[in-house]
Amino acid sequence: EVVLTQSPATLSLSPGERATLSCRSSQFISTLLGWFQQRPGQAPRLLIYDASNRATGVPARFTGSGSGTDFVLTISSLEPEDFGVYYCQQRYSWPRTFGQGTKLEI
Amino acid sequence: DVQLLESGGGLVQPGGSLRLSCVASGFTFSDHPMSWVRQAPGKGLEWISSLRETDDAAFYADPVKGRFTIVRDISKNTLFLQMNSLRVEDTALYFCVRLTKLWFGDFWGQGVLVTVSS
Repeated sequence: EVVLTQSPATLSLSPGERATLSCRSSQFISTLLGWFQQRPGQAPRLLIYDASNRATGVPARFTGSGSGTDFVLTISSLEPEDFGVYYCQQRYSWPRTFGQGTKLEI
Repeated sequence: DVQLLESGGGLVQPGGSLRLSCVASGFTFSDHPMSWVRQAPGKGLEWISSLRETDDAAFYADPVKGRFTIVRDISKNTLFLQMNSLRVEDTALYFCVRLTKLWFGDFWGQGVLVTVSS
């Protein structure tokens, strides 16, 4: 099973700042990784698929990068609506797995 | 608009069964793989099952293998999750998820709560 480890667990930043979230895989997963945002009380939302492709309607301030085992989600300038929990997920192998999440808080 | 409406959750005793339903609308249901993902209270996301649209092949996470079954009824645009031998640790909000052709969840239902308790 592919284990995804996200860091940091919690990231405390202010609007306008840059956020850098990390996801490390226990084994090679090529670029087959996605990122999701979950705001409190809401369902998750797909942000990035296959490491670096923005999903439909996702603002350009969200950028995904990485390949192999190390991946990064960057939010260039935080907006108030960006705060929540972010998860990475791999589609390289079964079972599909999620990281444990990074909470992005004000 | 794409909509996924889950139902069938509730309170059940350990060892009991439930069947979750997810009615899909706003897209061609037969063209997409589908998944169930759950989230225990205050915890992260856990993938539990997917269905491949081309041949109805099913995939399961180890904690639910042999107890849960994912199926679909294309005529009713409905995805199901039959859950048997439920355990306390199955308590969670269960999301129905539409997958893209690249197998990422691009639309999620609002979730249905399953509580397993005596």
